[in-house]
Amino acid sequence: AQSVAQPEDQVNVAEGNPLTVKCTYSVSGNPYLFWYVQYPNRGLQFLLKYITGDNLVKGSYGFEAEFNKSQTSFHLKKPSALVSDSALYFCAVREYNNNDMRFGAGTRLTVKP
Amino acid sequence: DAGVIQSPRHEVTEMGQEVTLRCKPISGHNSLFWYRQTMMRGLELLIYFNNNVPIDDSGMPEDRFSAKMPNASFSTLKIQPSEPRDSAVYFCASSPRAGVEKLFFGSGTQLSVL
Repeated sequence: AQSVAQPEDQVNVAEGNPLTVKCTYSVSGNPYLFWYVQYPNRGLQFLLKYITGDNLVKGSYGFEAEFNKSQTSFHLKKPSALVSDSALYFCAVREYNNNDMRFGAGTRLTVKP
Repeated sequence: DAGVIQSPRHEVTEMGQEVTLRCKPISGHNSLFWYRQTMMRGLELLIYFNNNVPIDDSGMPEDRFSAKMPNASFSTLKIQPSEPRDSAVYFCASSPRAGVEKLFFGSGTQLSVL
């Protein structure tokens, strides 16, 4: 079955600095990869996805993610972090023709002024 | 569209009581998912339905948990009898179709079993 790993429980960055939230995946076929964000007391919100094509995917709120097949990674990035980006971020994977979406454990991003 | 609607928003009950969580997916979505979120275990997939049919319930913790989807616009997750370790946030999500589509999440039900 497919799975994702988020190796960092917590990421701290200063406002204005670039941020990276890491994700690696494991699937038997072609992966469909997703990033979601969760703010306190809210459901998960979709940020971006990779299905096929360009390895660099752009999403909401200035976020982007880079798909790297050889490293089986899909790291989330943003050139300049905002305090309002502080939240819980989840990486998720779905396999082709499979309804099952699996989430990583989540990474808490804290952006300090 | 109002999005995925879950009720109740909060539920506090005593151990041994029956708990029913409700979900209304986005109209036209064919897939529905139930997830449970805890600090210890993160976000766990409990069960998902495709066209109202349960496809994979391997994530359901034990027989105390059951889920139904009697029609395309309604699903329930029932816990009977409830236990303190069931305390968690339960999310419902829906998706237009299998595979490439993102999930749309409800706001969740915060369940506390005393």
